[in-house]
Amino acid sequence: EPEVTQTPSHQVTQMGQEVILRCVPISNHLYFYWYRQILGQKVEFLVSFYNNEISEKSEIFDDQFSVERPDGSNFTLKIRSTKLEDSAMYFCASSGTGKNIQYFGAGTRLSVL
Amino acid sequence: AQKITQTQPGMFVQEKEAVTLDCTYDTSDPSYGLFWYKQPSSGEMIFLIYQGSYDQQNATEGRYSLNFQKARKSANLVISASQLGDSAMYFCAMREGFPYGQNFVFGPGTRLSVLP
Repeated sequence: EPEVTQTPSHQVTQMGQEVILRCVPISNHLYFYWYRQILGQKVEFLVSFYNNEISEKSEIFDDQFSVERPDGSNFTLKIRSTKLEDSAMYFCASSGTGKNIQYFGAGTRLSVL
Repeated sequence: AQKITQTQPGMFVQEKEAVTLDCTYDTSDPSYGLFWYKQPSSGEMIFLIYQGSYDQQNATEGRYSLNFQKARKSANLVISASQLGDSAMYFCAMREGFPYGQNFVFGPGTRLSVLP
């Protein structure tokens, strides 16, 4: 069964460093998303991406964040200068058309020290 | 105002019993979709079931069914014949309107514990 894959599963970084979280969405999907979940809290939307551009973003997705689909298969989330409060689980998701069921990857746990 | 409310932070159920997890939502958009996801302790988000606002019948997927009451704006998840592996966090989510591809709004979740 096709799935969304995310790497790495756990990323540890120092405050102020740049990190890139990687995702390979399901191959025939057209819409891509990033969400984050701070430990013990609900899942929050960051950004959606369609047709090689951002279609929607939340207040959380400020200038420190960027997304890219560099090669037609990968979908990346970059945090330019990490802060302690960026520590969270980051989920990538993708969906096709129709019901827009979003299928999630297993997540990347980001720990900012 | 919260778009998705899940009033049960934690629930217990005996193995093989049925359990209902509550979800109410708030939208003025006539077109929306409602989703339930399961998050086990390993952390991944697993899609369980979908209900569209125009669907005439309640959705069912195996042991999962969705009790959709549109006038009440509720979309409760019913798990029949609970299994130990059902112990997890359960999130209700909503996608509003068109075009497809808009983001989900998630509720705070309900932690279900299945007792042997």
